[in-house]
Amino acid sequence: DAGVIQSPRHEVTEMGQEVTLRCKPISGHDYLFWYRQTMMRGLELLIYFNNNVPIDDSGMPEDRFSAKMPNASFSTLKIQPSEPRDSAVYFCASSSQGGGRGYNEQFFGPGTRLTVL
Amino acid sequence: AQSVAQPEDQVNVAEGNPLTVKCTYSVSGNPYLFWYVQYPNRGLQFLLKYITGDNLVKGSYGFEAEFNKSQTSFHLKKPSALVSDSALYFCAVRDFHGGATNKLIFGTGTLLAVQP
Repeated sequence: DAGVIQSPRHEVTEMGQEVTLRCKPISGHDYLFWYRQTMMRGLELLIYFNNNVPIDDSGMPEDRFSAKMPNASFSTLKIQPSEPRDSAVYFCASSSQGGGRGYNEQFFGPGTRLTVL
Repeated sequence: AQSVAQPEDQVNVAEGNPLTVKCTYSVSGNPYLFWYVQYPNRGLQFLLKYITGDNLVKGSYGFEAEFNKSQTSFHLKKPSALVSDSALYFCAVRDFHGGATNKLIFGTGTLLAVQP
């Protein structure tokens, strides 16, 4: 298995531009998570999906942020318009609903390092 | 509310010595606890988890963690540290707010530095 795939790995853009981050979860996983990591705020959960449906978006910082999951193998996180304070590493993670006690660990992608000038 | 605390921002240990990275938790109900490691410029990697059963959990790369219910702790340990263990370590707990969810609440991370 290729693991969670994210693209691009690095993105440099100017303030005001639209940014789209992409994620392909592990095949068969039914949960997908978007996180943001910065030195100041650490690791923050932005939003997560179950079976392509957004379950909790309480971590999405502003209306400038939006996320979609049109199918089980693809998700996007969009920032429009971008601002310098959005500079961070954005991670996508996926997991599957486990049997028994019903919880399996999350697998993280390599991240997208976003720099907004 | 569920939470985890990692009281040490950094832990320094000499290669070959035992290491401990501390984690305490606060949950309502039974805790589901996890440790992840992050190497520079990489995503988080799963090390081990405690769901139920034996209080001593063994994981990847020779790491283990001990679940202590009375002290609400889940410390990460390794008998003999390697320089290659130097990384950022995160403790996490499953969020049960509003019923069981698949969210994880992460600690702030502990930077482990192993000196040769």
